[in-house]
Amino acid sequence: RKEVEQDPGPFNVPEGATVAFNCTYSNSASQSFFWYRQDCRKEPKLLMSVYSSGNEDGRFTAQLNRASQYISLLIRDSKLSDSATYLCVVSRYSSASKIIFGSGTRLSIRP
Amino acid sequence: NAGVTQTPKFQVLKTGQSMTLQCAQDMNHNSMYWYRQDPGMGLRLIYYSASEGTTDKGEVPNGYNVSRLNKREFSLRLESAAPSQTSVYFCASRSLGRGDGNQPQHFGDGTRLSIL
Repeated sequence: RKEVEQDPGPFNVPEGATVAFNCTYSNSASQSFFWYRQDCRKEPKLLMSVYSSGNEDGRFTAQLNRASQYISLLIRDSKLSDSATYLCVVSRYSSASKIIFGSGTRLSIRP
Repeated sequence: NAGVTQTPKFQVLKTGQSMTLQCAQDMNHNSMYWYRQDPGMGLRLIYYSASEGTTDKGEVPNGYNVSRLNKREFSLRLESAAPSQTSVYFCASRSLGRGDGNQPQHFGDGTRLSIL
């Protein structure tokens, strides 16, 4: 079993729709959580950190559920420019190497 | 704000040639990383440097060496390139230490390497 798992998709949704992804992690010692976005053949870019209380940044909302060991990303009013691969990242405090990337969920927004 | 800078952006090598990929960051981060990403696949950690003066193997270190030249620079060397090393290489950096536990990585824009 992978330490971080994501549904690879693709998710194909119409513009304006709301879409949500989950990411599960297996190590309960995980302490830091992030969502990155990666466009085709480009570098991953930080979308948002995920805090215990949940956090929102414009149309994007991230949630953490420690009991069930998953994080989620909700995108409201999706735009064509949201088409990308979304990477879930899990790490542990003060551990340089324990940064685990999910394989990503592909999202395609259609007009 | 340069962030993480990688050079070169593109390179074509012949099998058996050697080359060094350069990475520099200007964010005063102490940890630096090298990843490779193959088509349709996730990132795989090659080597990392938790702090200046230290380097450690990641998931796929075979065929590579690294040097943490100073706090800013972390280079990746292919001594004898093989076609299996054709990939996109990303360098990343991160602040790591007491009170910095929740810091994300920042990535360079990648080096696209083809080995013929």
